[in-house]
Amino acid sequence: SYVLTQPPSVSVAPGETARITCGGDNVGSRSVHWYQQRPGQAPVVVMYYDSHRPSGIPERFSGSNSENTATLTISRVEAGDEADYYCQVWDGGSNFHYVFGTGTKVTVL
Amino acid sequence: EVQVVESGGGLVQPGRSLRLSCTASGFIFGDYAMNWVRQAPGKGLEWVGLIRSKAYGGTTAYAASVKGRFTISRDDSKSIAYLQMNSLKTEDTALYYCTRGDGGYDMYYFDYWGQGTLVTVSS
Repeated sequence: SYVLTQPPSVSVAPGETARITCGGDNVGSRSVHWYQQRPGQAPVVVMYYDSHRPSGIPERFSGSNSENTATLTISRVEAGDEADYYCQVWDGGSNFHYVFGTGTKVTVL
Repeated sequence: EVQVVESGGGLVQPGRSLRLSCTASGFIFGDYAMNWVRQAPGKGLEWVGLIRSKAYGGTTAYAASVKGRFTISRDDSKSIAYLQMNSLKTEDTALYYCTRGDGGYDMYYFDYWGQGTLVTVSS
């Protein structure tokens, strides 16, 4: 089945840029969505269809997707961005399911 | 305001059954697919299954790990989705989230989530 691989952790200083990658075989041909999960809270979508930002999500969040890697970029990182981030795609076909990435813990130093 | 609220979780013995409910408000429930996603303690997210809107036949799909044991249904008149879980295993222990699926047919992303209901399978 389809696998999405993320780095377990990313550390970034306040005000700097965090880049969270999501690797998958030809993931660029799929639509990738991103979720933020703060400790003890439910996930929140922060990016959908690769680069669309839901209302209420700061412009500091951006997304891209090409070839074998999708990337969520958080500019001017703030303490409130500390959370787990998951990418997700749809895998249709004989083994229909929705795949989540392994998750990345973003730590703001 | 869109709200999704799960209920029905609890402690259950292996092999037994449990039914979760997902009560929604703030949108036309019948127009959307509803999904269940679970998260084992300290682990990542795992999609469990979905039920499409009546416009797409109200059909269902399940993750391989629960297929044949779990069943999703919906009552659009009450804006409720259900997750019937049979033959529960210890590995089904998780926080179960109900989420709304938005986007094109089957190309869903999960735009609204409940706070989850905890299911613990243990003897």
